Amino acid sequence: AQSVAQPEDQVNVAEGNPLTVKCTYSVSGNPYLFWYVQYPNRGLQFLLKYITGDNLVKGSYGFEAEFNKSQTSFHLKKPSALVSDSALYFCAVRDMGTGGFKTIFGAGTRLFVKA
Amino acid sequence: GAGVSQSPRYKVAKRGQDVALRCDPISGHVSLFWYQQALGQGPEFLTYFQNEAQLDKSGLPSDRFFAERPEGSVSTLKIQRTQQEDSAVYLCASSVGDSHNEQFFGPGTRLTVL
Repeated sequence: AQSVAQPEDQVNVAEGNPLTVKCTYSVSGNPYLFWYVQYPNRGLQFLLKYITGDNLVKGSYGFEAEFNKSQTSFHLKKPSALVSDSALYFCAVRDMGTGGFKTIFGAGTRLFVKA
Repeated sequence: GAGVSQSPRYKVAKRGQDVALRCDPISGHVSLFWYQQALGQGPEFLTYFQNEAQLDKSGLPSDRFFAERPEGSVSTLKIQRTQQEDSAVYLCASSVGDSHNEQFFGPGTRLTVL
């Protein structure tokens, strides 16, 4: 069955330091992978996606993610964190092997960036 | 331009009541999704529409949940005989084409069943 795991409930990082938010997935076919961010009192916003092609994808606000097929991971990264990056981050996957349209979301990782 | 809107933003229902939640997607968006988000959890897929066709309803938790999108734009999620476990935020999202495109989310409807 398809699933997404975000092993860290919370990530703390100092402003200016690199950040990583981890995501692993399990699918039967090829995955479509997404990262979304939720700021306080705002709706979910798209950050980036991997469909095919280059394993390193770049998205909004300086974020990037690397698709690693052998490790079934899609970790979100940013070279230098900002206080304004503090938010709730969700990894999501659509399993192209099922023929369905379901997008599965992880439980979320709360990122705190300290000044 | 206008984003995805949902109404009402908050709904309190007594156990056993029926509720209807509305979603206005971005104009021209073919795909529409409904999700249920419990406190502290990620969104859980309920159902998917492509235009007016409901192509995937595998996430609807019971036959008390029903969704429609009769003209391929506005969608309504109806919950009959609400139960306390239905309390959650219900999110609607739309996307331009097929479901591999990024989704634009509405602010959600927070449903509380007493």
